[in-house]
Amino acid sequence: GAGVSQSPSNKVTEKGKDVELRCDPISGHTALYWYRQSLGQGLEFLIYFQGNSAPDKSGLPSDRFSAERTGGSVSTLTIQRTQQEDSAVYLCASSLIGAGGYNEQFFGPGTRLTVL
Amino acid sequence: AQSVAQPEDQVNVAEGNPLTVKCTYSVSGNPYLFWYVQYPNRGLQFLLKYITGDNLVKGSYGFEAEFNKSQTSFHLKKPSALVSDSALYFCAVRDERSGGYQKVTFGTGTKLQVIP
Repeated sequence: GAGVSQSPSNKVTEKGKDVELRCDPISGHTALYWYRQSLGQGLEFLIYFQGNSAPDKSGLPSDRFSAERTGGSVSTLTIQRTQQEDSAVYLCASSLIGAGGYNEQFFGPGTRLTVL
Repeated sequence: AQSVAQPEDQVNVAEGNPLTVKCTYSVSGNPYLFWYVQYPNRGLQFLLKYITGDNLVKGSYGFEAEFNKSQTSFHLKKPSALVSDSALYFCAVRDERSGGYQKVTFGTGTKLQVIP
């Protein structure tokens, strides 16, 4: 079946512009996560959705970052007034929510964002 | 609160030798533990998980991990390393007591370099 998809795969933008990153999770996966990874470094948690609500937004670096999820499916991460330090690979993951809550996450290929 | 630590930024091992990538965790209740791998220029892939039961968990690509409750560790192991195992490895944990809250905490990652 289809995995997690993200678009665009690459995005080059100028400092100060807004960008939207899209994530299509695996069908039926209720949990959706956004992470940021800089140059092969660790995963920085950004936000977590359960259905359409976001119980944890604690990882969003500033108010320039926002995310939404509609219909319990597609999610969009928006970065306003991009800065050079926003350059990174943005990863999306989804997982089932079972009674035990121990389901693994399935990751998308990521969007590489470069802010000039 | 839940946390996970990967004490080694990089592990070097000769091809054919056994490898170990270390992970320790901290949770209030019982842990759900995961290992993920990120090959160069590829997305993260799930390797294996510990939920309950046998302390030795077997996963993909010949990897296994040993859960040690007294040492709060979940080290990743493989009896004989391959050059193709060279990648970035992430340990992750979720506290069983977090209930419906599905957030998983990832470690900072360990780069495994297998030397021919």
